[in-house]
Amino acid sequence: KAGVTQTPRYLIKTRGQQVTLSCSPISGHRSVSWYQQTPGQGLQFLFEYFSETQRNKGNFPGRFSGRQFSNSRSEMNVSTLELGDSALYLCASRLRSDGGYEQYFGPGTRLTVT
Amino acid sequence: LAKTTQPISMDSYEGQEVNITCSHNNIATNDYITWYQQFPSQGPRFIIQGYKTKVTNEVASLFIPADRKSSTLSLPRVSLSDTAVYYCLVGDIGSGGSNYKLTFGKGTLLTVNP
Repeated sequence: KAGVTQTPRYLIKTRGQQVTLSCSPISGHRSVSWYQQTPGQGLQFLFEYFSETQRNKGNFPGRFSGRQFSNSRSEMNVSTLELGDSALYLCASRLRSDGGYEQYFGPGTRLTVT
Repeated sequence: LAKTTQPISMDSYEGQEVNITCSHNNIATNDYITWYQQFPSQGPRFIIQGYKTKVTNEVASLFIPADRKSSTLSLPRVSLSDTAVYYCLVGDIGSGGSNYKLTFGKGTLLTVNP
């Protein structure tokens, strides 16, 4: 069974621009979560989608948004990029939205904001 | 959401058994305990998950005492390739709202020496 895929793997953007990252979960998984990882803050939860609905949201500004499509694929968007948005963005999928966090992560998208 | 505390780092030698303990004093009734392994520039990899007592799979064991205020990940006969950061995560479904603080904590850097 194919794992979680994320595109693109690397991205360089300029401050003020916007970016869209894509995530395809494991087949059959209906929950997709997004995380930001930086050396200083570690792994931080952004939001989780289940059956096209946002279930939980972390403490990030409204510039960070996401959505999930009917095939469970998900996108996250960051508008008005800031230098501090440079990070590894990870997507994870799980079968259900409860019963613990047995999640499977993708390789991540490395975003660099200059 | 339960906050987790782990040792920052641990050292071991090839062939030894390694036990990493995570404290989660305010774990909620519905919370599961999940452990992940992460190598540099990769997404975390699911290792094992449990709710109470002991769980074992092909790569690790998870020991959870009756009060569930801590858990111990046991890695039998580690090798050099087990050098990684190990995260303990406690959670379940979430409240469905904003400011949902699902965090991985700082993790434990395990270094396996020859």
